[in-house]
Amino acid sequence: GAVVSQHPSWVICKSGTSVKIECRSLDFQATTMFWYRQFPKQSLMLMATSNEGSKATYEQGVEKDKFLINHASLTLSTLTVTSAHPEDSSFYICSMVNPIITYGYTFGSGTRLTVV
Amino acid sequence: DAKTTQPPSMDCAEGRAANLPCNHSTISGNEYVYWYRQIHSQGPQYIIHGLKNNETNEMASLIITEDRKSSTLILPHATLRDTAVYYCIVRVAINTNAGKSTFGDGTTLTVKP
Repeated sequence: GAVVSQHPSWVICKSGTSVKIECRSLDFQATTMFWYRQFPKQSLMLMATSNEGSKATYEQGVEKDKFLINHASLTLSTLTVTSAHPEDSSFYICSMVNPIITYGYTFGSGTRLTVV
Repeated sequence: DAKTTQPPSMDCAEGRAANLPCNHSTISGNEYVYWYRQIHSQGPQYIIHGLKNNETNEMASLIITEDRKSSTLILPHATLRDTAVYYCIVRVAINTNAGKSTFGDGTTLTVKP
């Protein structure tokens, strides 16, 4: 089946540093990718949408200079949390539009970010 | 994209069928219904999707009403490992962000021994 590999699965970083999260589709090409964050006991909150080769579109209230998204190819997207602060601690999940399931989403396994 | 509403929680006895409803009364004619589930601290897992016909795969069955305003996900023989949050979303089957969907709160299914 279709797989999206997301790394790292968890990361602890110091306040003020940057963290890069990578999502890679292993067996399909994705023109469109999405990034979510999820707080405990809450649903997924869409942060941004990216299309290969173009700038990401951010949801209202999401700082584009803080959450840098690079959709480098049809199989790779990265999210960089810059100058991380404790309030950025969350569960970050990527998803890709997957033609194999009639353009439904295939999700990565998520990254638990803890900023100390 | 149309929004969906789901009951916040449901219980099911192990080995019994779990029927999870979803209301999508404002669905458009070209929008599919997709179901996902999320086990704690993991990314959501795709389960099944459909447009208007009932669908079945190795994981579940999807029943869509004739007017397409609601659907039911059926786990025929629930196991403890099916305990998760289940989300239904509707989305245009298109390979761009024009079909982005928002996730509601889903249904927390608890399968009990």
